[in-house]
Amino acid sequence: SQTIHQWPATLVQPVGSPLSLECTVEGTSNPNLYWYRQAAGRGLQLLFYSVGIGQISSEVPQNLSASRPQDRQFILSSKKLLLSDSGFYLCAWSDPTGGIYEQYFGPGTRLTVT
Amino acid sequence: GDSVTQMEGPVTLSEEAFLTINCTYTATGYPSLFWYVQYPGEGLQLLLKATKADDKGSNKGFEATYRKETTSFHLEKGSVQVSDSAVYFCALSHGTGGFKTIFGAGTRLFVKA
Repeated sequence: SQTIHQWPATLVQPVGSPLSLECTVEGTSNPNLYWYRQAAGRGLQLLFYSVGIGQISSEVPQNLSASRPQDRQFILSSKKLLLSDSGFYLCAWSDPTGGIYEQYFGPGTRLTVT
Repeated sequence: GDSVTQMEGPVTLSEEAFLTINCTYTATGYPSLFWYVQYPGEGLQLLLKATKADDKGSNKGFEATYRKETTSFHLEKGSVQVSDSAVYFCALSHGTGGFKTIFGAGTRLFVKA
């Protein structure tokens, strides 16, 4: 069966510090991968998605970036965090072969920028 | 572009009450429709799905029917429990090039004992 991991689970970082969040998927190949952000009490904001190694599409221009160095690894980064980067970050994957694109989410990383 | 609109919350119900959360969508063609649930502090989980008109998705006592004529996918449950307290998201995706899922804003449900 497939599983998706995210780490760390929680993170407190000062403004201006760098960020690296990691997501890995097990039990599938060539997944579509996604990064979302969820502000407190709000809906989901799609940040990046990837359909293959090295292929990243950005949905929202900001100080975040994403990379996919391996087929089942997706990394979200920032060189300098802003207060507005605080939120709950969710990684998800979907199977591109089924044509339905239901998504499977990781447990999330709660980021607080102080 | 495609969009999903769901009723604003929070919705507060007593245990064993009937639940309806309304969801309507705007999309070209025939998208797949989903309901996801998010429990406090967790990621989203797929609750149910429907891939074509008149399909009924069901899981854990929840049901939703894909209504093409009214572009709706309302979530229902006959008797809610305290453990159903969560945020519910309606969503759609397209099969052709549909890498992205469009999510509604979410509806928070509180169930009182």
